[in-house]
Parts: sequence; structure tokens; C-alpha cells
Amino acid sequence: AAGVIQSPRHLIKEKRETATLKCYPIPRHDTVYWYQQGPGQDPQFLISFYEKMQSDKGSIPDRFSAQQFSDYHSELNMSSLELGDSALYFCASSSDRGHEQYFGPGTRLTVT
Amino acid sequence: DAKTTQPNSMESNEEEPVHLPCNHSTISGTDYIHWYRQLPSQGPEYVIHGLTSNVNNRMASLAIAEDRKSSTLILHRATLRDAAVYYCILRDSQAGTALIFGKGTTLSVSS
Repeated sequence: AAGVIQSPRHLIKEKRETATLKCYPIPRHDTVYWYQQGPGQDPQFLISFYEKMQSDKGSIPDRFSAQQFSDYHSELNMSSLELGDSALYFCASSSDRGHEQYFGPGTRLTVT
Repeated sequence: DAKTTQPNSMESNEEEPVHLPCNHSTISGTDYIHWYRQLPSQGPEYVIHGLTSNVNNRMASLAIAEDRKSSTLILHRATLRDAAVYYCILRDSQAGTALIFGKGTTLSVSS
């Protein structure tokens, strides 16, 4: 079965640079969620989209923005990167904001 | 979101049942109880969810107390692959869709 696809899987950036993470949800899933997991920490919800509209907002820094496109894929844009942004970024998708969220393999971002 | 309390860690032997407890004394009537797990170096994985009645699926069973202030995730026969961090999460069906992860239980399985 098709799963959530995230790209890139690994990304190394320098401080103050920008990064764009991409998420391709499971086919026919209309809801996308972004989570951040720092080293040794639990996942933290950042933001979600349902039918291309922002649905929920969590602890997403103002330096970050995201959107969901007409094909339902989503991009997380991160600017003015800081060392503390180094983390695993997970994307998840679900159908109609359903109970089961399916997570991708994550993008490991390292800021140096 | 209402908070949950789980033990930091638990140990089990392979092929034995595992009962993972979760306390959620401030649960509201519209909160669903969700369980996710995260295997090492992987994204979280949905396990099961329920509202009031006990639930079973191919992965596990969820036993919910009558007053809904606690629940137990039951793995009927633990395997080495079940070693993971297990998260008990309350999700208000009316307030939104995000999963708010707390401190889960790290399950170790020995052969």
C-alpha cells in the first residue's frame, strides 16, 4: 500500500538559511499534519491542513510557513534557520480529519 | 487537551501479553482515547482508538474503564518488533485534529 512520502530524507543547512520540506500524502487523503521531533523529545504538532485550508495550528514558529496544494501535497517552508531547528520533521496524512493518522518516514534537518 | 499519565518504561518477555496503562482523570465526554507507537528511527504509527467501549483490532486491544478515567492497551503476544515508545493521547473530536504527544511508555521486549 502507498505510504506518506517525504522529501528530502536528510537535509543539512547553515544558520540563517532557508529550507523547504515536502510531503506527499497517501492517495485520497485530504488532511496533512506536520510534526517536529527534537533529539530525545516527543513529537510536537506544528500545523495541519484540510482540503487546502489551514485546519489547526500548534507551536509553529513565525519563521515557518506551510501550505497544501491542489494535489494535496504540502510544503513546510523554514526561514532564518537556527541551531534549535535541528530535528526530525514528520508529515502525516488522514482521510477527512479521521482518527487514523499515517506518518511518513520523516526528514532529518541538521542546522550547522 | 486533557492530560494523560503513563509509566516511563515497562519490560516484557517475548510471546507474553503486555498491559500498558494510561490514566486520564480529566477526560471530557468528547475525548477519544488514541494509542500510537513509535519504533526506533521511525515515524509514529497508529495502533488503536476508542471512545467508550472496548476495541479490538489486528494489532491490539483497548480496554476502557467504565468511568473513562483510565484505559489499558493490551498486546496479546509481545514480539521483539513491539519494542517502542507507546503514546496514549486524548483527542477532542470537536476541537481539532492534531495529536498532542505527551511522555509515553518505553516498552522493552526480551527474548
